[in-house]
Amino acid sequence: NAGVTQTPKFQVLKTGQSMTLQCAQDMNHEYMSWYRQDPGMGLRLIHYSVGAGITDQGEVPNGYNVSRSTTEDFPLRLLSAAPSQTSVYFCASSYRPAFFGQGTRLTVV
Amino acid sequence: KNEVEQSPQNLTAQEGEFITINCSYSVGISALHWLQQHPGGGIVSLFMLSSGKKKHGRLIATINIQEKHSSLHITASHPRDSAVYICAVVNTGTASKLTFGTGTRLQVTL
Repeated sequence: NAGVTQTPKFQVLKTGQSMTLQCAQDMNHEYMSWYRQDPGMGLRLIHYSVGAGITDQGEVPNGYNVSRSTTEDFPLRLLSAAPSQTSVYFCASSYRPAFFGQGTRLTVV
Repeated sequence: KNEVEQSPQNLTAQEGEFITINCSYSVGISALHWLQQHPGGGIVSLFMLSSGKKKHGRLIATINIQEKHSSLHITASHPRDSAVYICAVVNTGTASKLTFGTGTRLQVTL
């Protein structure tokens, strides 16, 4: 039982490049979410999903896309990376209780 | 004003000390999480509570729903307790579900 698997752990991108952060859970949770964590700020919600085929925007959605084709997977896509997207990203499954991935430290240069 | 406020922001303690971290919130909630994040590490859930008190080892979490306040206590602190402790509430008012505090950075020294 792996819980929440998030990859990669580290990534460096050049401005304008695109990439996908992967998130998978094996607990059959309907609710999944993506957050970014920046110094001095609490985790902020980027996008969330309440089930396969259903996604919605959170607090800071600009520059990010998501899809939810299966219950297990919830990838986050950066369309054209910008330095302002340098952050630590966390995927989470469920919210009561909540299970978090290990995080992705992304640097955009 | 943030919906979830934690205090203190930073805390330094000596090994063995009793530690209290506070969390106040201003929204309606159905539950509250205490989370732990070690430097460079992932986020681990310590407690989820909706009333009263929970204990796990040296950690104790309490919540007062009427006062919209929760505390995390660490008894007999140890250097391995050094981490960021994050309070997060399950917000009944929005679909986004979790609202986070900015965290309390704890350092326990020998």
